[in-house]
Amino acid sequence: AQTVTQSQPEMSVQEAETVTLSCTYDTSESDYYLFWYKQPPSRQMILVIRQEAYKQQNATENRFSVNFQKAAKSFSLKISDSQLGDAAMYFCAYRSFTSGTYKYIFGTGTRLKVLA
Amino acid sequence: DAGVTQSPTHLIKTRGQQVTLRCSPKSGHDTVSWYQQALGQGPQFIFQYYEEEERQRGNFPDRFSGHQFPNYSSELNVNALLLGDSALYLCASSLVVRAEVGYGYTFGSGTRLTVV
Repeated sequence: AQTVTQSQPEMSVQEAETVTLSCTYDTSESDYYLFWYKQPPSRQMILVIRQEAYKQQNATENRFSVNFQKAAKSFSLKISDSQLGDAAMYFCAYRSFTSGTYKYIFGTGTRLKVLA
Repeated sequence: DAGVTQSPTHLIKTRGQQVTLRCSPKSGHDTVSWYQQALGQGPQFIFQYYEEEERQRGNFPDRFSGHQFPNYSSELNVNALLLGDSALYLCASSLVVRAEVGYGYTFGSGTRLTVV
């Protein structure tokens, strides 16, 4: 069974600085998708960035980028030029394909605090 | 374009009671998934509905059941509530075709269920 591990319960970053959130996963599949979701106090999970496993190029979305190391099963999120609005819970998710459908397996999350 | 709508936003129930949570998917989406997010944890997959059928189920007891209607909206029912059922229940919708090429879910803001 696939697992997702986020080993940093909480991280802090100074406004305008860069922070990296860690995620590791375990799977026997060769093709899959990985996601980072942001959950602000409003509770809605918001997609930040996604990565397809067979693509070697790391995904980038504006200030957000990932470092995807497939052999190491590592998928970290880098937030550049951190803003106060980036403060939230961040969840790493693995999308598994079973019985003809998809489901997401989430890590336990990292709470990001942005200091003014 | 309306996103995923969940109702109610908050709910307090007594142990042993039954509860029904509702979800309207994003316009154009045909698949609904339900997740349970306990305090301080990542979301856990409950089940997924497509074409009015349960397509996949997570490790949840039969007390958890669901339904999808012809208009793609969905209900989550929990019978014989336990204190441990207290959590945020998230509904996520997707379009099955787009899911196959890695597009992520759209989440609602959830229903906060408290069992006393």
